[in-house]
Amino acid sequence: QVQLQESGPGLVKPSGTLSLTCAVSGGFRGNNWWSWVRRPPGKGLEWIGEIYLKGGTSYNPSLKTRVTISVDKSKNEISLQVTSVTAADTAVYYCARNWGHAFDFGGQGTMVTVSP
Amino acid sequence: QSALTQPASVSGSPGQSITISCTGTSSDFGGYNYVSWYQQHPGKAPKLMIYDVTNRPSGVSDRFSGSKSGNTASLTISGLRAEDEADYYCTSYTTSYTGSSTYVFGTGTGVTVL
Repeated sequence: QVQLQESGPGLVKPSGTLSLTCAVSGGFRGNNWWSWVRRPPGKGLEWIGEIYLKGGTSYNPSLKTRVTISVDKSKNEISLQVTSVTAADTAVYYCARNWGHAFDFGGQGTMVTVSP
Repeated sequence: QSALTQPASVSGSPGQSITISCTGTSSDFGGYNYVSWYQQHPGKAPKLMIYDVTNRPSGVSDRFSGSKSGNTASLTISGLRAEDEADYYCTSYTTSYTGSSTYVFGTGTGVTVL
């Protein structure tokens, strides 16, 4: 199983930008598709988007105007940015390796709270 | 795109079998057999239990099985155990009207072992 470590500020102010990174232990090892998923408190899982390391991204249509997923291959990191955040963006954020058309969650996730 | 519909809760006694349904539209499933299921215990990351409708990853108990008929996918847990108590989510892969990939999760089902 892949080892992932999500990290970033636990508190973001409304209208600000949420920025998270996902460190991939041992490198990408030929795995070319990576996703971000979140779970708001008391709610279900939501797919945010994915990145193809050879070029290209896809985003949840409900979030696509505010979301950017990128990669730093030199650091073996996947990044997530969400702009113009509101309380509705409060959630545990997970990165995952796309395993075919499923997800392999290798980390514990990181909690982000949007609050003044 | 709306979430796939799952029952909010399902319960069963140890040793029994339970089935969790996951219902969507034809566009939610997109004609693909790319339905997966995840188990999530409180405070833990989701764990992949079933992929491509019926396949189990290595290490997942054969007590877990998946199926799909029309626009409804199902997860069956047989020989229910206390450790199966968790939230379960289905996911479907499809393509959007622009042709890009998209995934939609189900609303989630809380399984209680009585």
